[in-house]
Amino acid sequence: QTVVTQEPSLTVSPGGTVTLTCASSTGAVTSGYYPNWFQQKPGQAPRALIYSTSNKHSWTPARFSGSLLGGKAALTLSGVQPEDEAEYYCLLYYGGARGVFGGGTKLTVL
Amino acid sequence: QVQLQESGPGLVKPSQTLSLTCTVSGGSISSGGYYWSWIRQHPGKGLEWIGYIYYSGSTYYNPSLKSRVTISVDTSKNQFSLKLSSVTAADTAVYYCARDVDYWGQGTLVTVSS
Repeated sequence: QTVVTQEPSLTVSPGGTVTLTCASSTGAVTSGYYPNWFQQKPGQAPRALIYSTSNKHSWTPARFSGSLLGGKAALTLSGVQPEDEAEYYCLLYYGGARGVFGGGTKLTVL
Repeated sequence: QVQLQESGPGLVKPSQTLSLTCTVSGGSISSGGYYWSWIRQHPGKGLEWIGYIYYSGSTYYNPSLKSRVTISVDTSKNQFSLKLSSVTAADTAVYYCARDVDYWGQGTLVTVSS
């Protein structure tokens, strides 16, 4: 059973910077896992932010960036805005298009 | 801009089959290059990939649901569908359809209850 682990919760001040991470139970996350990141606000569908580690969609704000950090996938928010308060999910692919979601990180902007 | 919309019963009785349809607009399923997914979210919980169908018709199902899941596509209607058999209360969730994982429907809540 493959498990993808994220921080359950993080808190950041407005204007600050925060990094969310995504780890795999199989070992270090590499670009070959094609990490994706999603933002979900209450009552809404998830919205794709990042694909293939660091690529942004046309609608992704510039303050969001993706990377690999210390064997994990990472999502960094720089200059956090109040509207960034949300749940964030990562997705890793294990062979072909077999994807496993992380448990999510609840980001509080306070 | 691709848009997806889920439709189907919001209430299903235990042991019956859950059936949902996703209607795609702004793009053709048969144009190729994408996989068409079903993903669910239990109340207050995280996301679970149910499975997907490729434009060619090949499918992948989550091993934990594989014995109960069928995903099919109707290119003439630009729709794809989910059937989940022998449902229990544990299948109560919001069900999303998506193109790859880039474009998502708004989701539909399905409650399993007698």
